[in-house]
Amino acid sequence: ETGVTQSPTHLIKTRGQQVTLRCSSQSGHNTVSWYQQALGQGPQFIFQYYREEENGRGNFPPRFSGLQFPNYSSELNVNALELDDSALYLCASSRNRGSSYEQYFGPGTRLTVT
Amino acid sequence: DAKTTQPPSMDCAEGRAANLPCNHSTISGNEYVYWYRQIHSQGPQYIIHGLKNNETNEMASLIITEDRKSSTLILPHATLRDTAVYYCIVNPETSGSRLTFGEGTQLTVNP
Repeated sequence: ETGVTQSPTHLIKTRGQQVTLRCSSQSGHNTVSWYQQALGQGPQFIFQYYREEENGRGNFPPRFSGLQFPNYSSELNVNALELDDSALYLCASSRNRGSSYEQYFGPGTRLTVT
Repeated sequence: DAKTTQPPSMDCAEGRAANLPCNHSTISGNEYVYWYRQIHSQGPQYIIHGLKNNETNEMASLIITEDRKSSTLILPHATLRDTAVYYCIVNPETSGSRLTFGEGTQLTVNP
């Protein structure tokens, strides 16, 4: 148990809809990173939020957006869902943008787009 | 471009040592080797990391070759709970928290 929680655990959406996923970071952590993990693949970095601002982004289109709140929890929003967006979405929290060994992952949200 | 190469799967008997190889022939001088694992239905978990010296912690040992082009993660006494996908990641220390995962090695520990 890392202390990082994500909600919901699972959800099913229809192509074209919008979805919001939530992440609560571990106590004392001010940085949240989001990853997308397709079936059978390793996680792919989407973006990171540090002190409520985006601090680095991977190769994902603008319809993937996020927010970080003053309590350092975070949301991932995906607009105009596509079938390929079906994946496990993971968040990881850390202190002060963190380091490659200081990432505490949540259990993920399984998104299915039909 | 993939920075690391790992076998897709390995098996190990419970109680025996599990040795997971990783090839990182293009590693740069300022890049560390990190290992994470992902147990089914959980998020990845940090195991160990190193630059050029061998490292050991309560979970595992990391052996890095002298030329740093490959490394081996060793779980000295594998248990059924070690069944997971193991990821070898090469990152400069300054890359912060952005991790670049490959496809990893599925380790299955058999009773």
